[in-house]
Amino acid sequence: AQSVTQLGSHVSVSEGALVLLRCNYSSSVPPYLFWYVQYPNQGLQLLLKYTSAATLVKGINGFEAEFKKSETSFHLTKPSAHMSDAAEYFCAVSDQGSNYKLTFGKGTLLTVNP
Amino acid sequence: DADVTQTPRNRITKTGKRIMLECSQTKGHDRMYWYRQDPGLGLRLIYYSFDVKDINKGEISDGYSVSRQAQAKFSLSLESAIPNQTALYFCATSDLDQAQHFGDGTRLSIL
Repeated sequence: AQSVTQLGSHVSVSEGALVLLRCNYSSSVPPYLFWYVQYPNQGLQLLLKYTSAATLVKGINGFEAEFKKSETSFHLTKPSAHMSDAAEYFCAVSDQGSNYKLTFGKGTLLTVNP
Repeated sequence: DADVTQTPRNRITKTGKRIMLECSQTKGHDRMYWYRQDPGLGLRLIYYSFDVKDINKGEISDGYSVSRQAQAKFSLSLESAIPNQTALYFCATSDLDQAQHFGDGTRLSIL
């Protein structure tokens, strides 16, 4: 069975600071990994995905994530936070064993302070 | 126009009422999903359908039912609503191993 752990339900950074949101997964077969963002009163929007190609994945809005198999991690980073990055972020995993159904982490709320 | 459309966007109803949430998509995807979101719990899968003739229970299907009327339409029903079904509900679609695309959600309150 697959699972996702997001460390830190709430992360607060200053505008211009590095954003680091942590995600660890478990999967018995090679995983597909995703980061989604949810702005208030909206649905989930795909930020980026890893599907067994390059381990460093670049997404929208300047975000990127690196797949580290040895650490079973897929942490999300952005070099410089903007006020508009304030949102909730979800990490998710799927694999062939689950017939590509997604399992989500519980989410991390990112606050950006001026 | 949105690729995945959910109706209604908001609904307030009373305990015991039957409620239907509707989802339609223009992406041409075979796979459709219903999730509920609760604060601090992330998204949990209620039901999913891999094609029109295929319906499967997710991790929290008790108290819910679904209907896949066409490739583009997937409805979620609460036969007799109870207060702990108050939540934000999302429909999503995908192609096999590709990323899922989400609607804007239905905020459901059961009094």
